[in-house]
Amino acid sequence: KQEVTQIPAALSVPEGENLVLNCSFTDSAIYNLQWFRQDPGKGLTSLLLIQSSQREQTSGRLNASLDKSSGRSTLYIAASQPGDSATYLCAVTGVDSGGSNYKLTFGKGTLLTVNP
Amino acid sequence: NAGVTQTPKFRILKIGQSMTLQCTQDMNHNYMYWYRQDPGMGLKLIYYSVGAGITDKGEVPNGYNVSRSTTEDFPLRLELAAPSQTSVYFCASSYSVHGTGFGYTFGSGTRLTVV
Repeated sequence: KQEVTQIPAALSVPEGENLVLNCSFTDSAIYNLQWFRQDPGKGLTSLLLIQSSQREQTSGRLNASLDKSSGRSTLYIAASQPGDSATYLCAVTGVDSGGSNYKLTFGKGTLLTVNP
Repeated sequence: NAGVTQTPKFRILKIGQSMTLQCTQDMNHNYMYWYRQDPGMGLKLIYYSVGAGITDKGEVPNGYNVSRSTTEDFPLRLELAAPSQTSVYFCASSYSVHGTGFGYTFGSGTRLTVV
């Protein structure tokens, strides 16, 4: 059974700091990994999607890496801003235990607070 | 704006009442999903659909029903609301099966409380 773990559960940093959020998964047989942002009381906004054949993706100040063999991904946020404050969720697409259906498994998220 | 639209945003139900959560997408995605998010937990898949007229159960389908009569709409039905169904519900869609190609697009959620 796929399990996704995100560390740390919460992180508080001063504005301007570079930071790394971690995501690990137990089954390396994934198709892709997606990072989402969730603001309080809001839906999920897709940030970056990394296919299993890729090593990293970049969008603006965000860079996500994927090491499928070790079951790890990191989300790097450069020059953090108060507007980056949100919960960041990692999710992997794999195959369920029966081997016949795709399944998206989420981590519980990292709550990021960037202080002015 | 293109995307996934959910209504209502908030709802309070009494035990035993029924309701339908609406979900519409305008991206012509074949694949649509319903998730629930409970505090401190990851999102759990309730039901999904791979196209009009085709639906299947996810991890936590008990107490829910779905239908998919058109590509755009994927409503979620609660027949006899129970306190255990208090949660935030998200609808999502994807271009390819379970987001294998281009990932998922999520709606803004429906916050449901059953009292």
